[in-house]
This record gives sequence, structure tokens and C-alpha cells, in this order.
Amino acid sequence: AQKVTQAQTEISVVEKEDVTLDCVYETRDTTYYLFWYKQPPSGELVFLIRRNSFDEQNEISGRYSWNFQKSTSSFNFTITASQVVDSAVYFCALSVEIYNQGGKLIFGQGTELSVKP
Amino acid sequence: EAGVTQFPSHSVIEKGQTVTLRCDPISGHDNLYWYRRVMGKEIKFLLHFVKESKQDESGMPNNRFLAERTGGTYSTLKVQPAELEDSGVYFCASSHGGGNTIYFGEGSWLTVV
Repeated sequence: AQKVTQAQTEISVVEKEDVTLDCVYETRDTTYYLFWYKQPPSGELVFLIRRNSFDEQNEISGRYSWNFQKSTSSFNFTITASQVVDSAVYFCALSVEIYNQGGKLIFGQGTELSVKP
Repeated sequence: EAGVTQFPSHSVIEKGQTVTLRCDPISGHDNLYWYRRVMGKEIKFLLHFVKESKQDESGMPNNRFLAERTGGTYSTLKVQPAELEDSGVYFCASSHGGGNTIYFGEGSWLTVV
């Protein structure tokens, strides 16, 4: 069975602080995909990143960076110099494909990030 | 290119009534998914279409929920009769094929009173 755990339910930081959102996953499959989504107050789910299990390179996109470590089954997300607009609920998710036809996402519980001015 | 669109964006109905949610996936996406988030809990999978076929419907909570995807284009999710615990946000998502990014719509917010 697959599982995603986001142990931090709420995080509050002051603007310009760095913040890391933790994500730990469980799966027995060797091929899988990891995702991060952002849900701002407006409600939509915004795609941030997708990683496959064979690519352990860390990724940086502007103020966002992701650290994928298979040894610890973690896919953590760091926001550098946080801004008020980063306030949102962030979801980590895992997908295991079925016969190359896509697979359902298993979501973590979400981490609500509040960035105060 | 239009994203995943969902209708209605908000709906308030009484217990026992019927509601039908519609989802238009991104053009050309064979995979279509329904998810829901109830009362601030985690987002849970409901079902997955590949074209017009149900690939996985293991997340459908009970037989009050019926999803269809006629012709492999748009999909509908009907709740009949609605119960109070059905309140939440229903997300639709689509992807092109295996291993590709799954894009979500803005959600349909359902309130059952």
C-alpha cells in the first residue's frame, strides 16, 4: 500500500524566513512519481513539481527547491525568503502507474503555511 | 490552451436532493480523475477514467455516487441522494498519459444542508 505523510499540519513564519515542508512516502513499487501542489486561499490546486523515482537530482525553481532522497523516502520542499503570497496549503502526493495508463494520486494531509508580514 | 474546467464552482443543496458536477478535461487528455476533500481532511481519490472506461473506481464511497464519461470527453459526477457528509470540494484532474503531470481544475464546492 502507498502512503504519504506530511507531519507538519501548520507552519507559521515571518516574511523573508526560509521554511521547509516535510514529506515522507511509502511504497513498494520501484517506479513511482512524487508531486507537490499548492492550494491558495482561492481554492484551486496548482501544480508545482513532478519527480520520478529514478531522478534523485534536487531541483531549484526561483525561491522554491526540492530535496528528493530515496534513502529516507523523503521529498521535502523549501521556500527561501518566504513571502505573504506563499501562504497556502501545500500537498505532497505519490502516484504509482498502472500499465502506463496513469495512476491515482495519494495525497498527504497537507501543510498549511502562513507567512506573516 | 484551456485548463481543466469544472461546473458549478459552488453549489448549495438540501439533504436528499441530487447534484451533478461536470468536468471538462484538458483537450487530448485521456486520463480523467475525480478527487474530493471533505471537511479539511486530505484529498482523496474517487475514480479514474481512461477515455470512456473506468480504470479504477476504488475510491467511490458508496452507490449514491455515479460517474460517467460518455465519449471519452467530459465527465459528470452525480450524487443522489446527497447527504450532509458529502459536503466538501470535488476536484477533477486530467493527464495526457502515463507518467505525465496531472492537472487539476478549480474544484466544485458542494454544501449539503
